[in-house]
Amino acid sequence: KNEVEQSPQNLTAQEGEFITINCSYSVGISALHWLQQHPGGGIVSLFMLSSGKKKHGRLIATINIQEKHSSLHITASHPRDSAVYICAVHMNYGGATNKLIFGTGTLLAVQP
Amino acid sequence: ETGVTQTPRHLVMGMTNKKSLKCEQHLGHNAMYWYKQSAKKPLELMFVYSLEERVENNSVPSRFSPECPNSSHLFLHLHTLQPEDSALYLCASSQDGRTGGYGYTFGSGTRLTVV
Repeated sequence: KNEVEQSPQNLTAQEGEFITINCSYSVGISALHWLQQHPGGGIVSLFMLSSGKKKHGRLIATINIQEKHSSLHITASHPRDSAVYICAVHMNYGGATNKLIFGTGTLLAVQP
Repeated sequence: ETGVTQTPRHLVMGMTNKKSLKCEQHLGHNAMYWYKQSAKKPLELMFVYSLEERVENNSVPSRFSPECPNSSHLFLHLHTLQPEDSALYLCASSQDGRTGGYGYTFGSGTRLTVV
């Protein structure tokens, strides 16, 4: 079982819909990242959060540290939001170097 | 461009070839990473360099050989690869440290095909 689980694995939505992607993790963390990967491979960091909620444009990320759960919401979805969304948790492990553990990603397709 | 540049973007190589992947960042970060992304699998950490010193080698076969000549450049030397090594190889950098500065920046990746 992966230490970081995402759901759903695949999601198809109609343009304008409100979208939620969930991430659960089983380890102690210092921070959690939401990443976006478009076809072609490059990864963009959307959010890094360790508590509460962050908002950027139509994207909202929340985290509940006690429940080891985070959600990424997209309001008024658009076809350009189609991508793989990856949850990654940040562990400190010895020394000064940080380590990310990744979920398998959620493939989102927003249809016009 | 994210600030982390990877070259080449695509590479096809035979199993007897030797090639190198290059990663470059000028963000002032002091840690650099190689990740492997295979189909339907989470990203796997391969190597970590912090302050130009390798701090993790995540049980990667010796046919992959990293090199970090300075804090801005990271290479992955490849030789006698296998078809199952075909994957997307991603470089990332971050500002190391325990207090804040966890932000990662990823490159666009090199799509490697071993034939």
